[in-house]
Amino acid sequence: DAKTTQPPSMDCAEGRAANLPCNHSTISGNEYVYWYRQIHSQGPQYIIHGLKNNETNEMASLIITEDRKSSTLILPHATLRDTAVYYCIVSSSGAGSYQLTFGKGTKLSVIP
Amino acid sequence: GAVVSQHPSRVICKSGTSVKIECRSLDFQATTMFWYRQFPKQSLMLMATSNEGSKATYEQGVEKDKFLINHASLTLSTLTVTSAHPEDSSFYICSASGRANVLTFGAGSRLTVL
Repeated sequence: DAKTTQPPSMDCAEGRAANLPCNHSTISGNEYVYWYRQIHSQGPQYIIHGLKNNETNEMASLIITEDRKSSTLILPHATLRDTAVYYCIVSSSGAGSYQLTFGKGTKLSVIP
Repeated sequence: GAVVSQHPSRVICKSGTSVKIECRSLDFQATTMFWYRQFPKQSLMLMATSNEGSKATYEQGVEKDKFLINHASLTLSTLTVTSAHPEDSSFYICSASGRANVLTFGAGSRLTVL
């Protein structure tokens, strides 16, 4: 799997948008960009993933650059419950048998 | 949908004893499950890939005789930490794919070996 680079920590004011960047300059053509988050002492929670196009769901938006070398996860209105470590992972998938390699992630602190 | 359940969530045991952790896919079948370990203030590290009906595949540096994995059905994988020692104290997390291209994780099991 390709490696990713994320800032170790970020702060965001409650109610504002949180924009979490991720660099994945060595991503391969068949690799997806996945975002998970881990709230303290819990298992990772899936947020969103994408291949080429921007994606949006009820939790977040994922913006992938045209060259696919970087992406941004956007939490439109951050709340205190969004405080967590956010992991950006690139991985190819194959019939559910793929695996995910976690880096150090970005520790997002949402401040009241 | 796609819920993964782990049990127990917390376990404390004495050094030298064995501990079994269960991972269940509640609403889907999983031919493959993954076991991760996470030490305090560190990221998740993949330990092994559990395959239904066959032997597990272990990552480099993970002792297969110490961390026994059994995947006897399409909804259950178990991890047994044998002859546990304090250095095995960690947060153990399993995952499985219940949706296309998405891994779902369990809530984790915190093991403390005294």
